[in-house]
Amino acid sequence: DTGVSQNPRHKITKRGQNVTFRCDPISEHNRLYWYRQTLGQGPEFLTYFQNEAQLEKSRLLSDRFSAERPKGSFSTLEIQRTEQGDSAMYLCASSSDLTGGETQYFGPGTRLLVL
Amino acid sequence: KQEVTQIPAALSVPEGENLVLNCSFTDSAIYNLQWFRQDPGKGLTSLLLIQSSQREQTSGRLNASLDKSSGRSTLYIAASQPGDSATYLCAVTLFGNEKLTFGTGTRLTIIP
Repeated sequence: DTGVSQNPRHKITKRGQNVTFRCDPISEHNRLYWYRQTLGQGPEFLTYFQNEAQLEKSRLLSDRFSAERPKGSFSTLEIQRTEQGDSAMYLCASSSDLTGGETQYFGPGTRLLVL
Repeated sequence: KQEVTQIPAALSVPEGENLVLNCSFTDSAIYNLQWFRQDPGKGLTSLLLIQSSQREQTSGRLNASLDKSSGRSTLYIAASQPGDSATYLCAVTLFGNEKLTFGTGTRLTIIP
């Protein structure tokens, strides 16, 4: 078990470009979450998957954002037409509802800078 | 809407001291509460999870307590070490809602 992994770890892009991030959860975890964290703040929830189904989306997730988890394993988060306000750390977490407790385990994050 | 507050925003203590970090939440109908540690520029490391039916959890030098009725949790760190320096975040989930709602964290510095 290697924990939650995220790629890339850092991304610098120009305003208006599209970016895609990947998250690989802990292998037996059926739940996957995306959060966004700006400097000096706690993470804010973006969206949540149970297996391949996207069950909840935050109002923070504008129509420029889309997330998928096509086979219930890894997930991607795409931001279209990036804006400077999208600059943040994007965190992925996973958990299992099969073992009880439902601790969410976080990946190292992808830091996005939009110039 | 659930709001989570952590006070103080920053705390410095000499090595070896015991310390308490505070977390308060506005909606007492929580399902569970988690404490995390975050090192600068890094992801979050889960420290302790307390279910709503529990009063406390312990792991090594860490002890977390939960008082649902007053909307408060504390994280007690015994015999602090310089390696404990980090930002500590608490987060709650509500029944029927899987998302974590975070506080803004307490930045802890242990002075050698």
